[in-house]
Amino acid sequence: DAKTTQPPSMDCAEGRAANLPCNHSTISGNEYVYWYRQIHSQGPQYIIHGLKNNETNEMASLIITEDRKSSTLILPHATLRDTAVYYCIVKGGYQKVTFGIGTKLQVIP
Amino acid sequence: NAGVTQTPKFQVLKTGQSMTLQCAQDMNHEYMSWYRQDPGMGLRLIHYSVGAGITDQGEVPNGYNVSRSTTEDFPLRLLSAAPSQTSVYFCASRRTETGEQYFGPGTRLTVT
Repeated sequence: DAKTTQPPSMDCAEGRAANLPCNHSTISGNEYVYWYRQIHSQGPQYIIHGLKNNETNEMASLIITEDRKSSTLILPHATLRDTAVYYCIVKGGYQKVTFGIGTKLQVIP
Repeated sequence: NAGVTQTPKFQVLKTGQSMTLQCAQDMNHEYMSWYRQDPGMGLRLIHYSVGAGITDQGEVPNGYNVSRSTTEDFPLRLLSAAPSQTSVYFCASRRTETGEQYFGPGTRLTVT
């Protein structure tokens, strides 16, 4: 897997957009960017993924730079329930997936 | 559709005991994997399987065995439990077409 780099922690005010960055400068052409989150001690939850185009679903938006070396996960209106650890993963094909430490997002009332 | 299920939810073992953590999925996913998560750390890959009859090691395989006789089930065996194996264990399965993983609720294991 390509290595990813994320800030260890971030704060966001409730109701504001949370923008979580991820660097993946060694990403290969066939590798996708995936985002997961883990709320407290629950199992990680899939959020969104993309290859090179921006993606949006009911949970979040994913913005991938043109050179694909970095991406940003956007939670448009953060709520207290979005407080979690967010993991950025880069993977292609049948590659095994490993998780780093992720970004601990704290949503503040 | 139950997704990924794990049993038991909690387990306490004595050093040297053996046990099997169960994992099952009903989504017909070929790829399944086991992770452990220690306090304040990310998930570390123990073993994974790309299909029935095929398994391989992850980052931290020592002390654990796996087998994959069916698509649905992927049990993790602790051969001789050690206090260092105290952790939360997560099983996951992966959708082949799009690659996203679905995780079970976890098994919290304490080895005394």
